[in-house]
Amino acid sequence: DAGVIQSPRHEVTEMGQEVTLRCKPISGHNSLFWYRQTMMRGLELLIYFNNNVPIDDSGMPEDRFSAKMPNASFSTLKIQPSEPRDSAVYFCASSMGQMQETQYFGPGTRLLVL
Amino acid sequence: KNQVEQSPQSLIILEGKNCTLQCNYTVSPFSNLRWYKQDTGRGPVSLTIMTFSENTKSNGRYTATLDADTKQSSLHITASQLSDSASYICVVSAHDNAGNMLTFGGGTRLMVKP
Repeated sequence: DAGVIQSPRHEVTEMGQEVTLRCKPISGHNSLFWYRQTMMRGLELLIYFNNNVPIDDSGMPEDRFSAKMPNASFSTLKIQPSEPRDSAVYFCASSMGQMQETQYFGPGTRLLVL
Repeated sequence: KNQVEQSPQSLIILEGKNCTLQCNYTVSPFSNLRWYKQDTGRGPVSLTIMTFSENTKSNGRYTATLDADTKQSSLHITASQLSDSASYICVVSAHDNAGNMLTFGGGTRLMVKP
């Protein structure tokens, strides 16, 4: 199994630009999570989906952030417009079952907004 | 307010030595507690997950303990190896009528020196 796949691995963009991060969960997993990690705030849960439906998006920082899961094998996290304070590593994770099950993390996307 | 505090923030030990990392939480109502290992530049990897009724759980040289009465957990690493150098993150899950919620500790950065 390839594990959770994220793309791109690195993204450098200018303030105001749209950024789209992509995730392919492990096949057969029905929950998907988006996290953000910074030195200052550590790891934060942004949103999670179960069976492609957003269950909890209370961690999404503001309206500039949106996430979709059009099917069981693909999800996107979009930031529009991006700001320098969005610079972070964004992780996608998947699990069988919901929050109480073991989550498997992808390698992350390192985002730098100039 | 739900909180997870980890100590120490950082730790340096010699290869072959044992060490213990601490996690204190005030999360309620408690659902489970997980320890993750995160190598530099990679996503977190689950080490253990414990529910209320579990006191100890091992994963190779890693042993996690949980005292639900005092709301404390520890992660003990036996005969440390250079590859144990990483950040260790404690995550506590709460489950109430609003659903599940994860609270993350700030992590302990462990360095194992030869």
